[in-house]
Amino acid sequence: SYELTQPPSVAVSPGQAARITCSGDALPEKYTFWFQQKSGQAPVLVIYEDTKRPSGIPERFSGSSSGTMATLTISGAQVEDEADYYCYSMDTSGVFGGGTKLTVL
Amino acid sequence: QVQLVQSGAEVKKPGSSVKVSCKPSGGTFTTSVINWVRQAPGQGLEWMGRILPILDITTYGQKFQGRVTITADKSTNTAFVELTRLSSEDTAIYYCATETRLKYWGQGTLVTVSS
Repeated sequence: SYELTQPPSVAVSPGQAARITCSGDALPEKYTFWFQQKSGQAPVLVIYEDTKRPSGIPERFSGSSSGTMATLTISGAQVEDEADYYCYSMDTSGVFGGGTKLTVL
Repeated sequence: QVQLVQSGAEVKKPGSSVKVSCKPSGGTFTTSVINWVRQAPGQGLEWMGRILPILDITTYGQKFQGRVTITADKSTNTAFVELTRLSSEDTAIYYCATETRLKYWGQGTLVTVSS
């Protein structure tokens, strides 16, 4: 199996862009998915197949992928976006990144 | 919108086994993948494995090989994860999630392993 690496924390001010990265050797061939998890809640899918946004997810959430790195961008981050974010990919088995705590203050 | 309903919290002794269930509140999941993911207290998400019920094909995470079994009962439209030889390190919330993209999640089941 392989690993996905995320920064432990990212902090931005409200209205700024927040970028969370996810690196992994298999990402050039595999899709990346992103999940938001707020305290005490189940994760919520915010981006799938690198760039697609599920219905109901605000447009400020976007995803991109290039080479061995995928990026989740929250344009104009809001206080309500403060949460843990996890990337996920699937090779022969699934794997999550270690998670990134986003602080918006 | 699919809603997944999981079984209730469990308290288990070290060395024992636990079996957690997951059932959609409406519709069927036999044509979709069911994943199992766990989260230890204060820790990140950990993928355990998945099943495609319509073909009974399972895939397990390397860490759990030999200790986890994922099954699906098509007659009751319910998926299960069973974990054996429990230790305190298995104390976690266990989630089921449908589809390859893990679009829909259950509410989670807290499993506590304590002597």
